[in-house]
Amino acid sequence: GQNIDQPTEMTATEGAIVQINCTYQTSGFNGLFWYQQHAGEAPTFLSYNVLDGLEEKGRFSSFLSRSKGYSYLLLKELQMKDSASYLCAVLDSNYQLIWGAGTKLIIKP
Amino acid sequence: GAVVSQHPSWVICKSGTSVKIECRSLDFQATTMFWYRQFPKQSLMLMATSNEGSKATYEQGVEKDKFLINHASLTLSTLTVTSAHPEDSSFYICSAYPVTGFSSYEQYFGPGTRLTVT
Repeated sequence: GQNIDQPTEMTATEGAIVQINCTYQTSGFNGLFWYQQHAGEAPTFLSYNVLDGLEEKGRFSSFLSRSKGYSYLLLKELQMKDSASYLCAVLDSNYQLIWGAGTKLIIKP
Repeated sequence: GAVVSQHPSWVICKSGTSVKIECRSLDFQATTMFWYRQFPKQSLMLMATSNEGSKATYEQGVEKDKFLINHASLTLSTLTVTSAHPEDSSFYICSAYPVTGFSSYEQYFGPGTRLTVT
């Protein structure tokens, strides 16, 4: 079966750095997405990785290792507004998005 | 950018009635749209894939006679929840892939519709 694992919840301090991990086992791979979702709102796109390596975009970076079935989202200089759920999703061989359950990130002052 | 709208943003209906939710791609064409449902504190659950001009593909466990999907044009898909019951109360979100002009397979999400069935 297809499976995506990410931690249920993480807590970090304002101004710090946090890394949210995602491991996946899917039938085929056509890229991995990270989305941010605030409570009661739709997900918003953060990043898309299809090749191995690190993609940096401002305070957010995303890393992919296809051989290990592993990705992480790195958030720097955390702000209170970063409190949200972060969803990892993999595009499988049928170009279907397989979603992880999401990681709820709590930022404390 | 690519914008997807949903209407209504929230709706309250009585048990046994039907509710229609519209999903529109405002500045691009989408041959494929997706309908998701999300219960509180849970992740997105794909309900069905809507293809313009053809029947929707439903995920296992989703009743196609209860959740009617119509994708009549390249910019509009509708989800009708028929004979709604309180357990259908949820956050319904649509998303779309652009036909052309975009470099990745990013799905663009609508803002969601919160359905409450009393």
